[in-house]
Amino acid sequence: GAVVSQHPSWVICKSGTSVKIECRSLDFQATTMFWYRQFPKQSLMLMATSNEGSKATYEQGVEKDKFLINHASLTLSTLTVTSAHPEDSSFYICSARQGAREYEQYFGPGTRLTVT
Amino acid sequence: AQSVTQLGSHVSVSEGALVLLRCNYSSSVPPYLFWYVQYPNQGLQLLLKYLSGSTLVKGINGFEAEFKKSEASFDLTKPSAHMSDAAEYFCAVSGGSGGYNKLIFGAGTRLAVHP
Repeated sequence: GAVVSQHPSWVICKSGTSVKIECRSLDFQATTMFWYRQFPKQSLMLMATSNEGSKATYEQGVEKDKFLINHASLTLSTLTVTSAHPEDSSFYICSARQGAREYEQYFGPGTRLTVT
Repeated sequence: AQSVTQLGSHVSVSEGALVLLRCNYSSSVPPYLFWYVQYPNQGLQLLLKYLSGSTLVKGINGFEAEFKKSEASFDLTKPSAHMSDAAEYFCAVSGGSGGYNKLIFGAGTRLAVHP
């Protein structure tokens, strides 16, 4: 149980285009989902926290107009990288939490984005 | 603010040897502590967690960790390393000003296991 999927697993896009990454909780309802960014050989940095039906809360330094997050249902959150640039190339990982009193996050397999 | 320090970005052990990965944290409130493992190009898998209660926590794949409040540490151990344990390991903490909602990760320790 507690499986989280991400789609696509990797994507290559041209500079200036937008790309959408999906995060789904497959066997549970996720009240909260998180989006992380991981640079090569580095740790995970939290980008934003999203609760179903409400606006995402972005971490300091993360451009909310560039990284659009939508958490439209209890099983789906999307991250859209708008007007992507090569510096946006990274590994993006989502996680999901099952309930308000559940402190464990279940992580997706990640999406590798390369912007050319 | 909370922070996590993992001592040693790379650890190398022989197969069958003890694995010890060090983690220190800072938190103004009782922390929740986690260890995750990441294999190449994959997401994170929870190894174990400490929320409260017994300070010795057992996890999957033979790993365990001990919460030492006086030392602000949460070291990960495994008595006998296996080749399949080679991966990146992350210690994480939640609590404090960020609340128990957010995880703060350490920089990670890459474990290499050689024959």
